[in-house]
Amino acid sequence: EDQVTQSPEALRLQEGESSSLNCSYTVSGLRGLFWYRQDPGKGPEFLFTLYSAGEEKEKERLKATLTKKESFLHITAPKPEDSATYLCAVQAGTGNQFYFGTGTSLTVIP
Amino acid sequence: DGGITQSPKYLFRKEGQNVTLSCEQNLNHDAMYWYRQDPGQGLRLIYYSQIVNDFQKGDIAEGYSVSREKKESFPLTVTSAQKNPTAFYLCASRRTGADYGYTFGSGTRLTVV
Repeated sequence: EDQVTQSPEALRLQEGESSSLNCSYTVSGLRGLFWYRQDPGKGPEFLFTLYSAGEEKEKERLKATLTKKESFLHITAPKPEDSATYLCAVQAGTGNQFYFGTGTSLTVIP
Repeated sequence: DGGITQSPKYLFRKEGQNVTLSCEQNLNHDAMYWYRQDPGQGLRLIYYSQIVNDFQKGDIAEGYSVSREKKESFPLTVTSAQKNPTAFYLCASRRTGADYGYTFGSGTRLTVV
C-alpha cells in the first residue's frame, strides 16, 4: 500500500537548535516529493520539490534531501518564525495521485 | 499576482442544510482539487477535475458534489448527506502533464451549528 509517514509528529526546539524532520514513503514509481509549510488556519505554502535520490534543495535555514526511501527537511539555527506544520507529499504512479503525510508540528522557542 | 481564492474563510452550516464553498484560480491551471483536513490526519482527497466539465471522485466523495463549468472555478457543495462536515477545506490547482506540485488556497473552515 502506498503511504507517506512523517516523524516526529511534534518537535519543540530552542532558537538556534538545529534538527531534522523525516518523511518516509512507500510508493510505486516516485514522480516527485514536495515539502510544504502550513501556518495555523492557512493553506499550505510550497517549499521544495525533489525528483530523484541524491537531490538537495535549500532555502534560507531549510534544506531538503531525498533518498530512495525518505526525505529529510533540515532546519539550521531555527528562529521562532519557523514555527509551523511541515507537510510532505509524494507524487506517484501516473502522476495524478498525491499522498500526504500527517505533518510535523514545529515549535521554536525564543 | 496569480493565485487561488477560497471563500468564505469561515462558514457555518445548520443541520440538513447544503452549503457551497467557492474556489477560483487565475493561474491558468487545468487541474483543480478539493481536500479535507482534519486534526491528526493527512489531507484527504474529495474530488478533482483535470478539465472543464469533467471531474472524478476522490477517497471521500460521499456527501459532497462539485461542478467545473469554467476553467477558473471549482465550487464544492457540502450536502446534508455529509454527516460529519466540520473540517478545514482546501482547494488546490496544478499544471497537468508534468511533475508539478499543488498551489493551495487559504482554506475554508466549515462548522456545523
